[in-house]
Amino acid sequence: GDSVTQMEGPVTLSEEAFLTINCTYTATGYPSLFWYVQYPGEGLQLLLKATKADDKGSNKGFEATYRKETTSFHLEKGSVQVSDSAVYFCALSVGSGGGADGLTFGKGTHLIIQP
Amino acid sequence: DAGITQSPRHKVTETGTPVTLRCHQTENHRYMYWYRQDPGHGLRLIHYSYGVKDTDKGEVSDGYSVSRSKTEDFLLTLESATSSQTSVYFCAISELSGPTDTQYFGPGTRLTVL
Repeated sequence: GDSVTQMEGPVTLSEEAFLTINCTYTATGYPSLFWYVQYPGEGLQLLLKATKADDKGSNKGFEATYRKETTSFHLEKGSVQVSDSAVYFCALSVGSGGGADGLTFGKGTHLIIQP
Repeated sequence: DAGITQSPRHKVTETGTPVTLRCHQTENHRYMYWYRQDPGHGLRLIHYSYGVKDTDKGEVSDGYSVSRSKTEDFLLTLESATSSQTSVYFCAISELSGPTDTQYFGPGTRLTVL
């Protein structure tokens, strides 16, 4: 079946450090890939997405490139801020041809940014 | 923000009691989903709906039922709650169905079964 693997953390960085959160996937079809962010006590918000190979999703300084050859969608940010502290989820969706397409999520990476 | 509300936001109940969680949307989106979030598991799909009265099972549907009598409301019922159903429950909606379409999530309901 489909699956997503990401580091769980916690990942602790200092402010202004470079961030990479790895995400790899296995999928039976041709998936779309997503990064969601969850701030403490809140629901999930879409951070970025990519729907085909070599696409780059970007938002709020975060970027991720859909790499089909390595089945990866790593999240990066050049300079993190304390406000980026949150849990980050990598997810995929594969068209089932059925009534709807649920997302398959990784376990989430807890990111802590220290001043 | 997508217009999604969930009620209640917090609930504590006892084993064996029935529980219903409500998801309400103001976006008129056709597709609605229920997920549960547990430490070490990420989010897992419980049930989904692709229209009024049209629902289907997800990955972890055992012990749950759903109903959708109006476009805007999607109810999740635990017929007889168990401690293993202690979790945070999220509702999501999407306008279209397909792998490229974005799902928008509600704020969640924290359910504790004693």
